[in-house]
Amino acid sequence: DTGVSQDPRHKITKRGQNVTFRCDPISEHNRLYWYRQTLGQGPEFLTYFQNEAQLEKSRLLSDRFSAERPKGSFSTLEIQRTEQGDSAMYLCASSPSNLADTQYFGPGTRLTVL
Amino acid sequence: SQQGEEDPQALSIQEGENATMNCSYKTSINNLQWYRQNSGRGLVHLILIRSNEREKHSGRLRVTLDTSKKSSSLLITASRAADTASYFCATDARGAQKLVFGQGTRLTINP
Repeated sequence: DTGVSQDPRHKITKRGQNVTFRCDPISEHNRLYWYRQTLGQGPEFLTYFQNEAQLEKSRLLSDRFSAERPKGSFSTLEIQRTEQGDSAMYLCASSPSNLADTQYFGPGTRLTVL
Repeated sequence: SQQGEEDPQALSIQEGENATMNCSYKTSINNLQWYRQNSGRGLVHLILIRSNEREKHSGRLRVTLDTSKKSSSLLITASRAADTASYFCATDARGAQKLVFGQGTRLTINP
């Protein structure tokens, strides 16, 4: 499968725990995006990378959230001290070069914070 | 905040009928895209229309864009049960490096 993959697909955690999600983009894509989607809403932008550089972060990305893309390939999104309000679907997308290109989305990681 | 607003929020039609969904947005854009999302799954790209285009077709899909009204429509002709999903429009505001999604239209095709 040469599409965007995300791991895990589902994560259940207790409030206060840390969680980390992984995204593997399409191999030749140098842009990688993270979005969050809550029930009944459209995805909301969190952050994006061009290669290994994190170029924009939404104000939704509080200091408990950190994202990395150390080698310009896969990316991780970590949430520290999870809160019930963090429960959502976390979507990763990649694109070849610029925003005029289609973004290809992974299947998402559904996070439930108890 | 979300830039796009889809209308209607929910639409239920009979199989074989046409489905039309509308999207309005607020700022100038480079392009507008439509995505489909089956329940609990990731988004699938359907079609991209650039700001200098007015209409685009792909199979049973027809998209129009009116930049003067800041609106777009997605028409699905001869609907099938498999078209049941949520449909989102997404815009890239000029100068912004991200997609901004609307809240989506939940489409149900009844057999």
